[in-house]
Amino acid sequence: KQEVTQIPAALSVPEGENLVLNCSFTDSAIYNLQWFRQDPGKGLTSLLLIQSSQREQTSGRLNASLDKSSGRSTLYIAASQPGDSATYLCAVNNNAGNMLTFGGGTRLMVKP
Amino acid sequence: KAGVTQTPRYLIKTRGQQVTLSCSPISGHRSVSWYQQTPGQGLQFLFEYFSETQRNKGNFPGRFSGRQFSNSRSEMNVSTLELGDSALYLCASSAERLAGVDEQFFGPGTRLTVL
Repeated sequence: KQEVTQIPAALSVPEGENLVLNCSFTDSAIYNLQWFRQDPGKGLTSLLLIQSSQREQTSGRLNASLDKSSGRSTLYIAASQPGDSATYLCAVNNNAGNMLTFGGGTRLMVKP
Repeated sequence: KAGVTQTPRYLIKTRGQQVTLSCSPISGHRSVSWYQQTPGQGLQFLFEYFSETQRNKGNFPGRFSGRQFSNSRSEMNVSTLELGDSALYLCASSAERLAGVDEQFFGPGTRLTVL
């Protein structure tokens, strides 16, 4: 059974810092890994999707890497801003369908 | 393109009642998945529908059921509501161009409160 862990559970940084969020998974036979952002009481916003054959994906100030063999992914946020404050979730898909297993999330607070 | 829409956004029910939630996927998307989010258990997969057939099912009791219509819209039903069913129910859709490789897009969720 796939298990996904995110460390740290919460993070508070001053504006402008570069930061790294970590995600680990126990079953490396994944199809893809997706990073999401969730604002309080809202749905999930997709940030980046990494296919199992890829090593990284970039979008603006966000960069996600994937090391499938070691069961790890990192989300790098450059030059953090208060608007980045949210919960960040990683999820893996082990299935030919669409059945995501989520980590517990990292709650990020960026202070002005 | 319009995003994934879910109705209603908020629901209050009492124990023992049943409830039906609706999800309209992004136009052209054929896969719809449902998730339950609670503070204690986080996000958990309920089931996935593709071309009107349930393709995957999570570890939830039979009180949770769903269906998908020919226009890809999906509904989920929870019968005999329990207090523990209070949660944010999220639906996601994907285009399914290739098996397992598509990005999933989530709706805003339905907040269900069971009293």
